[in-house]
Amino acid sequence: AQTVTQSQPEMSVQEAETVTLSCTYDTSESDYYLFWYKQPPSRQMILVIRQEAYKQQNATENRFSVNFQKAAKSFSLKISDSQLGDAAMYFCAYRSAYGNKLVFGAGTILRVKS
Amino acid sequence: KAGVTQTPRYLIKTRGQQVTLSCSPISGHRSVSWYQQTPGQGLQFLFEYFSETQRNKGNFPGRFSGRQFSNSRSEMNVSTLELGDSALYLCASSLTPNYGYTFGSGTRLTVV
Repeated sequence: AQTVTQSQPEMSVQEAETVTLSCTYDTSESDYYLFWYKQPPSRQMILVIRQEAYKQQNATENRFSVNFQKAAKSFSLKISDSQLGDAAMYFCAYRSAYGNKLVFGAGTILRVKS
Repeated sequence: KAGVTQTPRYLIKTRGQQVTLSCSPISGHRSVSWYQQTPGQGLQFLFEYFSETQRNKGNFPGRFSGRQFSNSRSEMNVSTLELGDSALYLCASSLTPNYGYTFGSGTRLTVV
């Protein structure tokens, strides 16, 4: 079974600074998708960024980018120019190309200081 | 474009009762998934439906069931509620799951 590990329960960053959230996963499959979701206090999970395992190029969405290391099974999220609105719980998630479910990590609480 | 709508937002039930939660996906999305979120267990997959068929089920007891209607709306039902069923239940829909899911705001169920 696939597992996703987020080793940082909580992180803090100063506004306008850069922060990196870590995620590692375990799978024997070669074809899969990885996601970062953000869950603010409103509870709604919001898709931040996605990565296809067969693509070597790291995904980027505005201030959000990933460092995808397939051999190391690592998928970290970098947030540049952090804003107060980035404060939330961030979840890393895995989805097999052949499966029908997301496997989530335990989450990392991100606090942004003004 | 309306998002994923879950009703009700909050629910308080007594042990032994049953509950039905509703989810209306984004128009055109035929895939609907359900997840349970608790502080102790995190986010766990319950089941996924596509075109009224259950395609996958998580490791939950038979008290947890669901269905999907022809208009893609989905319901999940929990019978004989236990205190441990208290959780945030999240519904997600997708046009193409590989591109990610859109989640609703969830139903907060409290069992007393």
